[in-house]
Amino acid sequence: DGGITQSPKYLFRKEGQNVTLSCEQNLNHDAMYWYRQDPGQGLRLIYYSQIVNDFQKGDIAEGYSVSREKKESFPLTVTSAQKNPTAFYLCASSIRLAGNEQFFGPGTRLTVL
Amino acid sequence: RKEVEQDPGPFNVPEGATVAFNCTYSNSASQSFFWYRQDCRKEPKLLMSVYSSGNEDGRFTAQLNRASQYISLLIRDSKLSDSATYLCVVLTPDTGRRALTFGSGTRLQVQP
Repeated sequence: DGGITQSPKYLFRKEGQNVTLSCEQNLNHDAMYWYRQDPGQGLRLIYYSQIVNDFQKGDIAEGYSVSREKKESFPLTVTSAQKNPTAFYLCASSIRLAGNEQFFGPGTRLTVL
Repeated sequence: RKEVEQDPGPFNVPEGATVAFNCTYSNSASQSFFWYRQDCRKEPKLLMSVYSSGNEDGRFTAQLNRASQYISLLIRDSKLSDSATYLCVVLTPDTGRRALTFGSGTRLQVQP
């Protein structure tokens, strides 16, 4: 079954801790993306990657970091520098960068206590 | 002004009704347009792409008006299962990034 998986589904973190969200896809897509969604708001782009070993900042990259060592994997680290990290985080992929349908993972709800 | 604007709703309609949503975009250079559907606490899924000539998929019709910079989604014969948030998505060239911009969504509640 092809698709995108994210783990964990729910994550609780204490203030001041870094946390890494997992995103894996077996669709053989080149491009991958991380978005954040806050209640009543649209998705905002955090980071995106066009190809392995390459990634670019999106609109709200401050306090986040990513890596793209493998085509299938695009983990997101939420660092303690992120001022308001509680949100719904969505990972997506597409065959190539934008212009095509993006497939989303089920998301991770991060709550900072 | 937001890049992509939608009426948040909610639109409360009875089963069988026809309902239409509009979405306006600010950048005239926007190239591609989509409607995504998002169920409560779930991920967005592509509903349909929006072509210049308009397109139809069963009970759903999407239209693009470049002159007035808006896209629309028409749902005929609404079903209870159509209840969801509908996200307007626009692709705008941006220094090579070709980023998708998501609207905040319009919530539809179909009632029995």
